[in-house]
Amino acid sequence: EAGVAQSPRYKIIEKRQSVAFWCNPISGHATLYWYQQILGQGPKLLIQFQNNGVVDDSQLPKDRFSAERLKGVDSTLKIQPAKLEDSAVYLCASSPATTPSYNEQFFGPGTRLTVL
Amino acid sequence: GDSVTQMEGPVTLSEEAFLTINCTYTATGYPSLFWYVQYPGEGLQLLLKATKADDKGSNKGFEATYRKETTSFHLEKGSVQVSDSAVYFCALSGAGKLIFGQGTELSVKP
Repeated sequence: EAGVAQSPRYKIIEKRQSVAFWCNPISGHATLYWYQQILGQGPKLLIQFQNNGVVDDSQLPKDRFSAERLKGVDSTLKIQPAKLEDSAVYLCASSPATTPSYNEQFFGPGTRLTVL
Repeated sequence: GDSVTQMEGPVTLSEEAFLTINCTYTATGYPSLFWYVQYPGEGLQLLLKATKADDKGSNKGFEATYRKETTSFHLEKGSVQVSDSAVYFCALSGAGKLIFGQGTELSVKP
């Protein structure tokens, strides 16, 4: 079974530029997550999709971050404009679970973003 | 709100040493608990899980027991190998999302 795919693996941009990340979850997984992992910290949830609807985006900085999951499959996360503090690894995860009590997630390799 | 606290790293051990990484949590209700491992340059991989009190999760020689009375989920391994060098994250599942600790870096020397 193929895992969660993400691209690109690395991205370097100047501040105030825009950037987009792509994620393809495991086939059949209804739930998709985007996390931000700053160096030395644990991942922090940015947004959660259930199929193509948003379940939780309370931690997403909506003035600069946006995400979509068209057709309930793959997803893109965009930052516009980027700030220095956005330098982090952006992780995508998917889960087959639809109940909140047990939530095993499968993670992609991440995209390492450096903002100069 | 819900939270997870892990012992700070880095932890440096010699090969075949005993490993303990402490993890405690604060949560409403009865969350599931997880340990994830992140090898250099890779994404997180689920190492083990426990879904209710007194459950013991185990995988690849690692173990952790869900202790409701002490709100803990400490990770242990009897004999670590160089290949176990990685960052370990404790996490809980609450309200449909994972909440992670800050991670503990483990370095195993030959």
